[in-house]
Amino acid sequence: GAGVSQSPSNKVTEKGKDVELRCDPISGHTALYWYRQRLGQGLEFLIYFQGNSAPDKSGLPSDRFSAERTGESVSTLTIQRTQQEDSAVYLCASSPAGVGYYEQYFGPGTRLTVT
Amino acid sequence: GNSVTQMEGPVTLSEEAFLTINCTYTATGYPSLFWYVQYPGEGLQLLLKATKADDKGSNKGFEATYRKETTSFHLEKGSVQVSDSAVYFCALIQGAQKLVFGQGTRLTINP
Repeated sequence: GAGVSQSPSNKVTEKGKDVELRCDPISGHTALYWYRQRLGQGLEFLIYFQGNSAPDKSGLPSDRFSAERTGESVSTLTIQRTQQEDSAVYLCASSPAGVGYYEQYFGPGTRLTVT
Repeated sequence: GNSVTQMEGPVTLSEEAFLTINCTYTATGYPSLFWYVQYPGEGLQLLLKATKADDKGSNKGFEATYRKETTSFHLEKGSVQVSDSAVYFCALIQGAQKLVFGQGTRLTINP
């Protein structure tokens, strides 16, 4: 079946511009996560959506970052006024449920380069 | 807070060599532990997991044992293949389902 998809796969933007990254989770997965991987570093948690509950935004690095999710489907991560330190691979993952552990299935990521 | 520290790479081995990638963690309580793998050009995939002390996770010839006394979850494989070349991430999860990752170890296997 279809896995987690993300678009675009690559994005180059100028410093100060806004960008929007999209994630399509696996159908039926109620939990959705965004992570960031900067060069040479591990993955950092950004935000977590579980069903209709309020999202856990504790990993967002600044108020320039925001994310939305419509029901249990698509999510968009928006970065406003991009900075060079925002350059990273942004990974989305989904899982069947948020209570107890269920495997998180990752998308291929969006590589963001801020020039 | 919770954290994961894993062996720095890159690691380069010859085919059929023995592999160990060290991973230690810091956490309160009893997290679940994971190894994820990222093959070239592919997304991150779960390789194996262990959810309580002394559990051994295994998959594709890889093994890791949850050692509470040493807070470790080292990844091992007895005989690596070229196809094992990838980046390996150790991770833990506790409470609210947020994975905490180590920095990743790039493994290259030469024929």
